Amino acid sequence: AQSVTQLDSQVPVFEEAPVELRCNYSSSVSVYLFWYVQYPNQGLQLLLKYLSGSTLVKGINGFEAEFNKSQTSFHLRKPSVHISDTAEYFCAVYTGTASKLTFGTGTRLQVTL
Amino acid sequence: AAGVIQSPRHLIKEKRETATLKCYPIPRHDTVYWYQQGPGQDPQFLISFYEKMQSDKGSIPDRFSAQQFSDYHSELNMSSLELGDSALYFCASSLRGEQYFGPGTRLTVT
Repeated sequence: AQSVTQLDSQVPVFEEAPVELRCNYSSSVSVYLFWYVQYPNQGLQLLLKYLSGSTLVKGINGFEAEFNKSQTSFHLRKPSVHISDTAEYFCAVYTGTASKLTFGTGTRLQVTL
Repeated sequence: AAGVIQSPRHLIKEKRETATLKCYPIPRHDTVYWYQQGPGQDPQFLISFYEKMQSDKGSIPDRFSAQQFSDYHSELNMSSLELGDSALYFCASSLRGEQYFGPGTRLTVT
């Protein structure tokens, strides 16, 4: 079975500071990895994805993530955050055998002035 | 670009009533997924369909059923509603694994 762990339930950060949201996964087969963002009272929007190839993937809004197979991690980073980045961020893993996304419990990013 | 469409966006029902949620996937996507997100929780997988056949089943109560029709739209039927069914219900569609989510239907059971 696959699982996703987001260790930080909340991450407070000042505007223009860098941020890293951590995600670790476990799976016995090859995985696809995703980060989704959810703004208040809205749906899930895909930030970025790792399917294969380069382990450093770039997404929308200046976010990037690095797939590290040996550490089974897929941490999300942004060098300089903005107030508008305040949202809930979900890491998710997909395997072809499971045919569904398994989400982490989410990390609330709170950006303040 | 076309996105996943869900209707209705908001639904208020009373306990023991029935609700039907609809999902229209992105054209040419072959798989539809349903997720339930309770207040302050992560989305939980309910059920999925591949080419109109049920492909996987998660934590879906027996009171719920779903199907995918010939035009690929899907419906989630929920009977004997309980207060705990109040949640945001997402539909997602995919082609080769990458899932695109609809805006969700917020169901409130009173």
